[in-house]
Amino acid sequence: AQRVTQPEKLLSVFKGAPVELKCNYSYSGSPELFWYVQYSRQRLQLLLRHISRESIKGFTADLNKGETSFHLKKPFAQEEDSAMYYCALSGHQAGTALIFGKGTTLSVSS
Amino acid sequence: DAGVTQSPTHLIKTRGQHVTLRCSPISGHKSVSWYQQVLGQGPQFIFQYYEKEERGRGNFPDRFSARQFPNYSSELNVNALLLGDSALYLCASSLALGLAVYNEQFFGPGTRLTVL
Repeated sequence: AQRVTQPEKLLSVFKGAPVELKCNYSYSGSPELFWYVQYSRQRLQLLLRHISRESIKGFTADLNKGETSFHLKKPFAQEEDSAMYYCALSGHQAGTALIFGKGTTLSVSS
Repeated sequence: DAGVTQSPTHLIKTRGQHVTLRCSPISGHKSVSWYQQVLGQGPQFIFQYYEKEERGRGNFPDRFSARQFPNYSSELNVNALLLGDSALYLCASSLALGLAVYNEQFFGPGTRLTVL
């Protein structure tokens, strides 16, 4: 079964603290992994994807095929990082449809 | 370009009614996908269209249908509405199908459907 699991519903950190949002997936094959972000009152937007290997807004994510994980990390959280974060996958078996996790709310306080 | 646009913004219907939701993709985008997002959950894939043909379907009942027009805009139709159909319906557009780096899905603001 194709599935994305985000075990944390809410992650609260202080400004300047490291952040790690967890994502595990289940997929038979080689999926493409994504992180989407939704800031308050804004639409869902792509933050980064594995194939690009870019660092966006200081966030990085490494695909670990052995652990089937794609955790999102940032060394120093900022208050403007507060948002809902969704991990998603897509693959040839799923067409290019995105399969999303339930999301993690990141709250960064000063 | 205003990005992906959806109409209406909000909609209230009663059980058993029919609803049509509309989506206009970004200019030049030929693929449109529909997602349902129930409160507290991530978006769930409903349909994907490319060049006016259905290219993917999620696990939704036949009450859900969609189509894509020659100008690449799209409609999502839901018949015999149930209380459980209350959700935010998202439309996303992309240049084409496939997982290439350039083929990002851009999301619209959504239509909030409430079924009473």
